[in-house]
Amino acid sequence: DAKTTQPPSMDCAEGRAANLPCNHSTISGNEYVYWYRQIHSQGPQYIIHGLKNNETNEMASLIITEDRKSSTLILPHATLRDTAVYYCIVRVRNDMRFGAGTRLTVKP
Amino acid sequence: NAGVTQTPKFQVLKTGQSMTLQCAQDMNHEYMSWYRQDPGMGLRLIHYSVGAGITDQGEVPNGYNVSRSTTEDFPLRLLSAAPSQTSVYFCASTTGGLGTDTQYFGPGTRLTVL
Repeated sequence: DAKTTQPPSMDCAEGRAANLPCNHSTISGNEYVYWYRQIHSQGPQYIIHGLKNNETNEMASLIITEDRKSSTLILPHATLRDTAVYYCIVRVRNDMRFGAGTRLTVKP
Repeated sequence: NAGVTQTPKFQVLKTGQSMTLQCAQDMNHEYMSWYRQDPGMGLRLIHYSVGAGITDQGEVPNGYNVSRSTTEDFPLRLLSAAPSQTSVYFCASTTGGLGTDTQYFGPGTRLTVL
């Protein structure tokens, strides 16, 4: 599976959009981009995934560049409960390789 | 559905002791896996199973055994606990397939080895 690079930490004001970047320059054609988050010490929670096209669900939007070498997770209106570690993972098989992720802190 | 359940929530062992961490899912998922998470780090895959009777090693399998006799259960055995195995252990399951399915994680077991 391709490796990913994420900033170690980011801050966001409550109510604003949180944009979390991820670089995956070695991604191959059949690898999906997945985003999970981990709130405090709970089990990781699925957010969204995509292959080529931009995706949106009730939690977030995923923007994938045309060359697929990077992506951005967008939380449109961040709340304090969105404070968590966010993991970007590219995978083709079921075993996922987690990096250190981005620690997002939403501030009042 | 209860989803993915793990027992116990907390466990303290002495070096050399053995124990089994339990994981069960009620979603009829074929694929199950075990991860460990050390402080300040991401999750690392220990073992996984693509169906009953089939298991394979992940990234950090040493010191752990698994078996899959039923679709629902995937226990993780620590053969002889060591302080380096102090960690939080997460079990996950998914329907399987080609890596396009969502993985569901359990709440974790916090293990301390003295």
